[in-house]
Amino acid sequence: DFQLTQSPSSLSASVGDRVAITCRASHSISSYLNWYQQQPGKAPKLLIYAASRLQSGVPSRFSGNGAGTDFTLTISSLQPEDFATYYCQQSYSVPFTFGPGTKVDVK
Amino acid sequence: QVLLVQSGAEVKKPGASVKVSCKVSGYTLFDFSMHWVRQGPGKGLEWMGSFGPEDGETINEKEFQGRLTLTADTSTDTVYMQLSRLRSEDTAVYYCGSPRSDGSLEFWGQGTTVIVSS
Repeated sequence: DFQLTQSPSSLSASVGDRVAITCRASHSISSYLNWYQQQPGKAPKLLIYAASRLQSGVPSRFSGNGAGTDFTLTISSLQPEDFATYYCQQSYSVPFTFGPGTKVDVK
Repeated sequence: QVLLVQSGAEVKKPGASVKVSCKVSGYTLFDFSMHWVRQGPGKGLEWMGSFGPEDGETINEKEFQGRLTLTADTSTDTVYMQLSRLRSEDTAVYYCGSPRSDGSLEFWGQGTTVIVSS
């Protein structure tokens, strides 16, 4: 199986901060890397697919980059509604594993 | 507007089975696959498997070893997830998710809580 690690596991930030979350795969997954945001008690929401493509309706302050084994999700200016948990997922090979998540909370 | 509506919460005893449904509206199920993801209390997301018209059933065998069955009824645009031989560790919220062609999950159901308790 393809394992994913995320760092940091949690971070504290303020509104307006630039935030970066990294995701590392155990083997190359090309660009088959997706990012989701999950609010407490809600279903996950797709933010970025194929490493860098912004899902329709997602604000442009979210961006993704990377290929192979190393990927990054960046929030350029954190907004109040962005405090949530973020997961990466690889869709290169079944099982389509998720990273363990990064919780972004208020500093 | 794509909408996935899942069945209601379930409480089951250890050793029993549970069947969760996910009804699709806004597109024809026949042409699309469906994935299932679960999340234990306070835990992360776990990919369970997928069901599609071409590939049929694809299961995360390492985690579910013959306990998981995914089916679809195209006449009602409904997909089903059945998990058997339940144990307490199966207590979780179960989600269906509709994938894009690259496997990313674009639309999600609202989640179904399954509690396994004696």
